[in-house]
Amino acid sequence: EVQLVESGGGLVQPGRSLRLSCAASGFTFDDYAMHWVRQAPGKGLEWVSGISWNSGSIGYADSVKGRFTISRDNAKNSLYLQMNSLRAEDTALYYCAKSAGGFLEWLFDYWGQGTLVTVSS
Amino acid sequence: QSVLTQPPSASGTPGQRVTISCSGSSSNIGSNYVYWYQQLPGTAPKLLIYRNNQRPSGVPDRFSGSKSGTSASLAISGLRSEDEADYYCAAWDDSLSGPRFGGGTKLTVL
Repeated sequence: EVQLVESGGGLVQPGRSLRLSCAASGFTFDDYAMHWVRQAPGKGLEWVSGISWNSGSIGYADSVKGRFTISRDNAKNSLYLQMNSLRAEDTALYYCAKSAGGFLEWLFDYWGQGTLVTVSS
Repeated sequence: QSVLTQPPSASGTPGQRVTISCSGSSSNIGSNYVYWYQQLPGTAPKLLIYRNNQRPSGVPDRFSGSKSGTSASLAISGLRSEDEADYYCAAWDDSLSGPRFGGGTKLTVL
């Protein structure tokens, strides 16, 4: 059974940093691309970032480019999102999502339960 | 404003058939696969349809997807109360080099 468990969310002041983690199990992690998708309170889904199976291809939404960094550790079956210079508009539930294939263009087939990030002073 | 356009709401009575549209462009729906997700209240999204019209195992055949040109549709037949949820379409966008979602459609079962 595929399981994705996010952690690392919390309350943070504007301008500060936070690092999210996603622990994956139930599938061969290094065969698949992985993504972060967020959902602001009461709003729709927004893709944040994605990374291919071997980290050879990485993409970011314009809204986070230059501030967020995605990475993965295939030996630890883990996905990460380093979030710097956080803004109030980054407040959202952040989901870790498994891709249906090894490359970014394959969209999401499994989702975690999310970790809440609140940016406020 | 979302790159993919969905109606904000849809409704139907139990047993009815409802369709939800998703309109895009040549850089997304026109040249890439469409995916559909169901998000029940307070839960994470769940994959309903992939590659335009394929159902993952466990998804009832009441759910079906189609695509024509730069538009796609999700059809739900034999509507049930448990289908009340938000539905999102998504597709890779070649111009934006990333996946994009529709704004979501809130389905109400009357």
